[in-house]
Amino acid sequence: GQQVMQIPQYQHVQEGEDFTTYCNSSTTLSNIQWYKQRPGGHPVFLIQLVKSGEVKKQKRLTFQFGEAKKNSSLHITATQTTDVGTYFCVNTPLVFGKGTRLSVIA
Amino acid sequence: SAVISQKPSRDICQRGTSLTIQCQVDSQVTMMFWYRQQPGQSLTLIATANQGSEATYESGFVIDKFPISRPNLTFSTLTVSNMSPEDSSIYLCSVEDLLGGPKTQYFGPGTRLLVL
Repeated sequence: GQQVMQIPQYQHVQEGEDFTTYCNSSTTLSNIQWYKQRPGGHPVFLIQLVKSGEVKKQKRLTFQFGEAKKNSSLHITATQTTDVGTYFCVNTPLVFGKGTRLSVIA
Repeated sequence: SAVISQKPSRDICQRGTSLTIQCQVDSQVTMMFWYRQQPGQSLTLIATANQGSEATYESGFVIDKFPISRPNLTFSTLTVSNMSPEDSSIYLCSVEDLLGGPKTQYFGPGTRLLVL
């Protein structure tokens, strides 16, 4: 599977600010997954998007899948220190993006 | 959700030696996966381990270097053979989570390996 490109690589935000990470592919994706890895921890599955234009929410997290199924985004509203970690988008089969490392300054 | 344990959790090894990492799952799973995560990097799939058949290796990984066993539906081992400092990484096993959807995964806590 082709690796998806993630931007930005790093993001530092003040607590309470919003945060967005983007995932882009040159080819159409069948689905895309998002994982979070806390510092020193292992990746934890967040969500899977399958349908074109799909939007899913988990509390302050909003996940979108583009209409052309070539891009996806994860948006966090009003970040908290518990949001610190690296967010990976994952193309199938099992190809992790490089991740976006989020740090939140209290 | 599956509970996954890995042994050892960390190790420091001398170059030229081999280390076998164990992955135990609390339920029977069809597919188990082994990943490598080099410091500050993303995860790279090493191989897929299916019970009753040989592991399927990804490009750049070979059985002689990373032999894998899958004796039953709850257990797998990954051996890192003839280690060099470049093998210093976190090695993670994962299993497919069918409730989460196709190819979604639960990860073990990882084995942190330092090769001197």
